[in-house]
Amino acid sequence: ETGVTQSPTHLIKTRGQQVTLRCSSQSGHNTVSWYQQALGQGPQFIFQYYREEENGRGNFPPRFSGLQFPNYSSELNVNALELDDSALYLCASSPGGSGANVLTFGAGSRLTVL
Amino acid sequence: GENVEQHPSTLSVQEGDSAVIKCTYSDSASNYFPWYKQELGKRPQLIIDIRSNVGEKKDQRIAVTLNKTAKHFSLHITETQPEDSAVYFCAASTRGSGGSNYKLTFGKGTLLTVNP
Repeated sequence: ETGVTQSPTHLIKTRGQQVTLRCSSQSGHNTVSWYQQALGQGPQFIFQYYREEENGRGNFPPRFSGLQFPNYSSELNVNALELDDSALYLCASSPGGSGANVLTFGAGSRLTVL
Repeated sequence: GENVEQHPSTLSVQEGDSAVIKCTYSDSASNYFPWYKQELGKRPQLIIDIRSNVGEKKDQRIAVTLNKTAKHFSLHITETQPEDSAVYFCAASTRGSGGSNYKLTFGKGTLLTVNP
């Protein structure tokens, strides 16, 4: 059984650029959630994907978007990057049903926006 | 929406002592309360969780208590060891909009330092 893997682990972008982060869910998990963790803060919910559709969204602007693929992997896209987007982006997968809120996190992608 | 407050923000104990971290939540519909441990530069790892139909749960040196009436829950670590040093996050889970998804709302974290 493999865990949640994310890529890239670190990246640096400049303001206004676009970024795509990738996530492979744990074997047997069909739900993927994305969280943003700013330095010294708890993770904040961005959105969740289930059956290739966005299934709930936190308080993030539309320039944050995502995809889920038939193999349950997922992408997070952020357009028009701002300095405040610098953070650790965590992907978490979970099984469906009653275990949908039991999250297994990946190691994250650390984004720095200059 | 849900709001989770966590205290203290930092906690320093001597090896062998107990550590207690407390959280309060605002949404009475929240029904699942996990605790995550995050070591520096690593992923959050689930260490224990409790559902709203249970008042207490224990796993070796770690226990969690839940008071639904007061809307607070606590993490208790006994016989602390240096390897327990990490940031601990509490969270509360609610159904998001549409009723079919689950989001976790996290506290701001507690930096626990266990001194040898």
